[in-house]
Formats: sequence, C-alpha cells, structure tokens
Amino acid sequence: QKEVEQNSGPLSVPEGAIASLNCTYSDRGSQSFFWYRQYSGKSPELIMFIYSNGDKEDGRFTAQLNKASQYVSLLIRDSQPSDSATYLCAVPVRGSYIPTFGRGTSLIVHP
Amino acid sequence: EAQVTQNPRYLITVTGKKLTVTCSQNMNHEYMSWYRQDPGLGLRQIYYSMNVEVTDKGDVPEGYKVSRKEKRNFPLILESPSPNQTSLYFCASRPAGGGADTQYFGPGTRLTVL
Repeated sequence: QKEVEQNSGPLSVPEGAIASLNCTYSDRGSQSFFWYRQYSGKSPELIMFIYSNGDKEDGRFTAQLNKASQYVSLLIRDSQPSDSATYLCAVPVRGSYIPTFGRGTSLIVHP
Repeated sequence: EAQVTQNPRYLITVTGKKLTVTCSQNMNHEYMSWYRQDPGLGLRQIYYSMNVEVTDKGDVPEGYKVSRKEKRNFPLILESPSPNQTSLYFCASRPAGGGADTQYFGPGTRLTVL
C-alpha cells in the first residue's frame, strides 16, 4: 500500500467552481504534507505545505488536514482553465523533507 | 542561477545497453533524489541520498543504481535497461535544513528503451 492514496480522476469542474482534491494517508505518524501541481511533461511545483490540523489558505488555494481521519485535501476556489493539471499529494520521508508522492489527480477546468 | 540539471533530456536506447543519466545541482544541497513517472502511477521514488556516500532505496529501486561521490552529483545508472524502464525521470535536491518550499526539481529526462 502506498503511503498516500489519491483518486486518479479526471476531476472535471466548470470555470469559476470550487475544485476539491482529496488524499488519504496510511502512516498515522505522518506530520506534514505537500501539494504539488504538475503540468504535462513538466516538473512538479510546490503549491502548499501543511503540518498542522485545520486549514491553510494561500490565495485561491486552501489545504485542509484532518489527522484523526488521516486525510488531507486541497480546495481551489474560482477554478480557471490554467489550473488544469495533475495535483500530487506527498508526504516526506521520515527525518527529511524529501517527498514521496501519491498517484496524482488529474483536474480539468472547462470554460 | 540555482538549478538542478539533468542530462540527457531525451534518450532512446536498446535493451541491455548500459546508460547513465546525470543529475547535478549548484546549491550545495545535502539531499538528492530520483523519481520516475509513468501514466496513472504518479511520481515514484527510486533512490534518495541524504549526503555524500549515503544512499537509500525508495519505492522502486529494482534495476537501478546510484552513487553519491560528490555532493553536487547524483547519477542514475541503468546497468541493463529493459523496456519497462521507459519513463520520465526527475531528479530533485533540497538542503537538509531548509523549509518545505526549498525542493528543486530538474527538468526531466524522457527515456525510451526499445
């Protein structure tokens, strides 16, 4: 079992809607999580890092962490076609910030 | 400019012909790692290194070797490539004491094994 699990999608939302991406994790000891965005054929880019329960907001992005239920989610408000990409959830290798990734969820924002 | 470079960017080779993909970073980072990416499988970690001469297996190390003789370089070696190693490969680096946002990825190497 992978450390993090994601629905591969694709998740399709209309422009302007809220996109909700989810990730569950198996190691109850995991303390922090990453969300990366990756456009096709390009390197991943970090968009959010969260390590405490609750919400963390950055612009149109909100990450939510629920340690009791072992899930982390990413909300994208006012989705734009340029948000169409694969979103990767990741947890660090113990003792480092080196990420290990889930399969990623493909998001399609249609006009 | 701070960067992670990979060479080659594209490679087509044949089964069994040994190859090396180089990865170099100019930021004096302690941590380096290799990933492969295949459709529907996300980024899977192959090997990582936390310092010179210190390497550890990731999720999919079979068929790969790495070495970390110098801090800046972390080559990925395929001793006898097979078609199932056709993939997009990414190298990454980060400092040991840096925050979560100090991870740098290389541009990727697209490998095709015939």
